[in-house]
Amino acid sequence: DGGITQSPKYLFRKEGQNVTLSCEQNLNHDAMYWYRQDPGQGLRLIYYSQIVNDFQKGDIAEGYSVSREKKESFPLTVTSAQKNPTAFYLCASRDWQGKAFFGQGTRLTVV
Amino acid sequence: AQSVSQHNHHVILSEAASLELGCNYSYGGTVNLFWYVQYPGQHLQLLLKYFSGDPLVKGIKGFEAEFIKSKFSFNLRKPSVQWSDTAEYFCAVNGYGGSQGNLIFGKGTKLSVKP
Repeated sequence: DGGITQSPKYLFRKEGQNVTLSCEQNLNHDAMYWYRQDPGQGLRLIYYSQIVNDFQKGDIAEGYSVSREKKESFPLTVTSAQKNPTAFYLCASRDWQGKAFFGQGTRLTVV
Repeated sequence: AQSVSQHNHHVILSEAASLELGCNYSYGGTVNLFWYVQYPGQHLQLLLKYFSGDPLVKGIKGFEAEFIKSKFSFNLRKPSVQWSDTAEYFCAVNGYGGSQGNLIFGKGTKLSVKP
C-alpha cells in the first residue's frame, strides 16, 4: 500500500536525551513536512523539504533537526534543546497538486 | 510570511443546522487553499481544495468552500450537518513565490454536532 509510515507510535524520552522520529513514504513525493500538533494550536510547521538534500525551517524549528538523504525518508530529531517536546508529531508528504498525505503520528512524552 | 487564521475554536450545532467555518489567510502572492478534516482517532484527510478557476469548490460529504480573493478568505460551508461531521477542521495554505513549498495550517475548528 502507498502511504506515509511514522514510527514509533508512542515514544518516551528522558530529560536531556535526543530522540529521532522516523518518517518514510513510498508515494514518490518530493515534498515532505514535519508538524507538531498541540491542543488548541493546530498544526505548526517544524521543518519541510522540497527535494533530497535540501530542507527549510518552519515556524518552530528551534530544538529540532532533520535530514533528507533519501527521497523516501525524512527523520526528525528532537534534541535536548527543545524546551517542551511533549506533543503529537505528524509527518506529511505532498503531491504535485499540493494535496498532503499524513502519517498516523508519533506521540512523544518526556518522562 | 504566510499565516492562516480560523475564527472559531469550537462550534456546536444541532443536526440539520447549516455550517460556516471562517478561514482567512495572509499572503501576497498566488495561493493554493485547502480544508482538511480530522475525525476522532483518524488521520487528517483532504476535504476540498482550490487551485484556480471557479472560486466555489465542492468537496466530499456535501462540503463546499468559496475563495474570495479580495477578502483573503476561504470559508467552509455545509447546508445541513450530520452527527458524523463531528471532527476538527483545518484550513491550510500553500503559497508560491518566496514561500514556495510551504504548507501552513490554521489552528483548527472543532465541530461538535448534537444528534
